[in-house]
Amino acid sequence: QTVVTQEPSFSVSPGGTVTLTCGLSSGSVYTSYYPSWYQQTPGHAPRTLIYSTNTRSSGVPDRFSGSILGNKAALTITGAQADDESDYYCLLYMGRGISVFGGGTKLTVL
Amino acid sequence: QVTLKESGPALVKPTQTLTLTCTFSGFSLSTSGMRVSWIRQPPGKALEWLARIDWDDDKFYSTSLKTRLTISKDTSKNQVVLTMTNVDPVDTATYYCARSRDYNNPNWFDPWGQGTLVTVSS
Repeated sequence: QTVVTQEPSFSVSPGGTVTLTCGLSSGSVYTSYYPSWYQQTPGHAPRTLIYSTNTRSSGVPDRFSGSILGNKAALTITGAQADDESDYYCLLYMGRGISVFGGGTKLTVL
Repeated sequence: QVTLKESGPALVKPTQTLTLTCTFSGFSLSTSGMRVSWIRQPPGKALEWLARIDWDDDKFYSTSLKTRLTISKDTSKNQVVLTMTNVDPVDTATYYCARSRDYNNPNWFDPWGQGTLVTVSS
């Protein structure tokens, strides 16, 4: 079974830029995987950030952006803020009705 | 305003069947393009997609769990029900339901319910 891969952890300085990626254990991620990204803080339900690769969900600030970089989906945070410290999950559509989450990236802002 | 809320037992014994209900408002699951998925998250671990039901009653399941899961909907009650058979302590998790509404994109979950914690223990 194909595994969706994410960096386990990442750190960024306040005001800095960070790019989190979402790949496949075998093959490349394309827009046809409809990559979406979710932000989650402890004890809370996930919040939708990005869908369809690069469309921001309602109310999401424009410092969050999505793209395809090389063979992976990517989430870039520009001008990181302290409250961006969260877990970030990508979700890929594998076809035939199946969706798969990545293992998540714990982002530290320090 | 679209809302979803999960409900079910907080504690289930191993080998029992778990039944969870997602009660929603603000949309109809009979409208073309609407879908509801179940997702779970064991304590301290990653999200895991479990199952999905579509407006046309199509149903899809996680490859690893499909033999144990059944998803159904009651459109008149605005509810989606997930059953999981033969539960084990590893099934201890917060269970979420979430809506999808794009006919062409089934991979956009928004909004999510608040989640319900289910513990499997004897």
